[in-house]
Amino acid sequence: DAGVTQSPTHLIKTRGQQVTLRCSPISGHKSVSWYQQVLGQGPQFIFQYYEKEERGRGNFPDRFSARQFPNYSSELNVNALLLGDSALYLCASSLVQGKETQYFGPGTRLLVL
Amino acid sequence: GDSVTQMEGPVTLSEEAFLTINCTYTATGYPSLFWYVQYPGEGLQLLLKATKADDKGSNKGFEATYRKETTSFHLEKGSVQVSDSAVYFCALSDAGGTSYGKLTFGQGTILTVHP
Repeated sequence: DAGVTQSPTHLIKTRGQQVTLRCSPISGHKSVSWYQQVLGQGPQFIFQYYEKEERGRGNFPDRFSARQFPNYSSELNVNALLLGDSALYLCASSLVQGKETQYFGPGTRLLVL
Repeated sequence: GDSVTQMEGPVTLSEEAFLTINCTYTATGYPSLFWYVQYPGEGLQLLLKATKADDKGSNKGFEATYRKETTSFHLEKGSVQVSDSAVYFCALSDAGGTSYGKLTFGQGTILTVHP
């Protein structure tokens, strides 16, 4: 079975632009979470979606938004990009929400110039 | 809030040496604990997990025991290989009021193994 997939793999944007990142979970997984990993640090939680509803949100500004589709894939949107948004964005999926094991995709590396 | 603290890195070892990476946590409930590994340029891979006190997670020669009394989940391996060179993250999955299971990560420990 395929693992978690993310697209694109790399992205370069300029300040003020908007970006959309995409994630497809492992088949059968209904929960998707998004994390931001700045270089040299551990991942920080952004959002969790389960059954197409937002179930959790980390300490990120309203410029960050996400949604989950009926097929359980997900998009993360970031508006008005700042230099500090440059990071590896990781998507993780799990069967359900709660303390289930989360499996990560390869990430999308975003560079904001 | 929940937090995870890992030992300061980087850690540099010779092949076949013994590895310990310390991890302690703070949580309000009864979290599940995880070790993830990240190879250069890649996402995170689950290495092992433990879901309750005194559980031992193990995989590929790595082991960690969930110690509730010391709030620790130290990673160990008896004989490391060059291929173990990577960044290791300790993480917990919350069991607080929200119970939606976000992961809280430590800062990561860089491991380099020389031949």
